[in-house]
Amino acid sequence: SQQGEEDPQALSIQEGENATMNCSYKTSINNLQWYRQNSGRGLVHLILIRSNEREKHSGRLRVTLDTSKKSSSLLITASRAADTASYFCATDASQGAQKLVFGQGTRLTINP
Amino acid sequence: GAVVSQHPSWVICKSGTSVKIECRSLDFQATTMFWYRQFPKQSLMLMATSNEGSKATYEQGVEKDKFLINHASLTLSTLTVTSAHPEDSSFYICSAPARSRGGEQFFGPGTRLTVL
Repeated sequence: SQQGEEDPQALSIQEGENATMNCSYKTSINNLQWYRQNSGRGLVHLILIRSNEREKHSGRLRVTLDTSKKSSSLLITASRAADTASYFCATDASQGAQKLVFGQGTRLTINP
Repeated sequence: GAVVSQHPSWVICKSGTSVKIECRSLDFQATTMFWYRQFPKQSLMLMATSNEGSKATYEQGVEKDKFLINHASLTLSTLTVTSAHPEDSSFYICSAPARSRGGEQFFGPGTRLTVL
């Protein structure tokens, strides 16, 4: 079953603006990961944040994790047309088995 | 970074035939691999966990006799869709965790299966 719920389901912004996507989950987790998927392609790993971490940065990406609210957000700053893709959060709550459960995803469109 | 490959990248087959999809970890060993299915405009649904040297573990609702998984070595897992039907048409993706990278999973590029 899908644990993660993401919002918005679709987001369309102008190039240069910031994009924020949110993910909520239901159970305790070991870590939460964000992935990007271009249409019809495989997944690209963006960031892994552990349950004892609150914030992580990677380039123009910023991920926060609030375990009390069981939610995470992905912020992409200074968006580019190449950021157009679907973004998924995935949670690992599997007690070492490393099974990921994916959220429904956010389709991000960056308009030039 | 770690690389996972899949073969073939796409396949078209007739109803009733079987199709084998390979998933390889190219530069690391993977005792565990995961198989996902993704329908258009939807998220990834975990189908099964492939375990090297032992039986695969299937998620609820996934028919183990229809989706045969073999994890014969530390770098190769295969998914065979048996007696394929049009409703099996989907994007199949495998992943493997690289333990040396603290749980980060690496995904294959996916295989698009179309059953006529």
